[in-house]
Amino acid sequence: AQSVTQPDIHITVSEGASLELRCNYSYGATPYLFWYVQSPGQGLQLLLKYFSGDTLVQGIKGFEAEFKRSQSSFNLRKPSVHWSDAAEYFCAVGAVGNQFYFGTGTSLTVIP
Amino acid sequence: KAGVTQTPRYLIKTRGQQVTLSCSPISGHRSVSWYQQTPGQGLQFLFEYFSETQRNKGNFPGRFSGRQFSNSRSEMNVSTLELGDSALYLCASSTPGLASYEQFFGPGTRLTVL
Repeated sequence: AQSVTQPDIHITVSEGASLELRCNYSYGATPYLFWYVQSPGQGLQLLLKYFSGDTLVQGIKGFEAEFKRSQSSFNLRKPSVHWSDAAEYFCAVGAVGNQFYFGTGTSLTVIP
Repeated sequence: KAGVTQTPRYLIKTRGQQVTLSCSPISGHRSVSWYQQTPGQGLQFLFEYFSETQRNKGNFPGRFSGRQFSNSRSEMNVSTLELGDSALYLCASSTPGLASYEQFFGPGTRLTVL
């Protein structure tokens, strides 16, 4: 069965520090992988996506993610976090029929 | 291009009532998906409509239903509301083809059941 696991419920980092959010997936075929960000009271905004090809993908707001098939992982990274990055982050895998499977999310707090 | 719009943004209902939520996709998008977001369960897939047909359905009771109109606008209905239906309901639209795996989300409708 398809599933997405985000092991970290909550992460706190200092502004300017690097960030890595973990995501592991279970999917029978080639996965289509996504990272979304949600600010309080808002919908989800797409940060980046992986369909095929280069396993290191670049997204908006300085985020990147690396697809590692052997580890079934798609971790999100940012070299230097800004206070405005504080939000909820969701990893998702897209399946046939547009049925997305989302992780439970990681809440990011940024300390000034 | 205007984004996905959802109306109303906030709703308060009482147990036993029914509610209808509306979603207008991005112009040209023919697929509309609905999700329920709660603190305990995260984002859960409700159903997806494409060209007025339900293509896929999540694991929700029959009280949750939807439809899509010829202009791709979609409505979601919840009958006999329960306290546990309190949630943020998100709608997402996408285009046909490979790009359909990229979904664009609306701001959501916050439903509170008292």
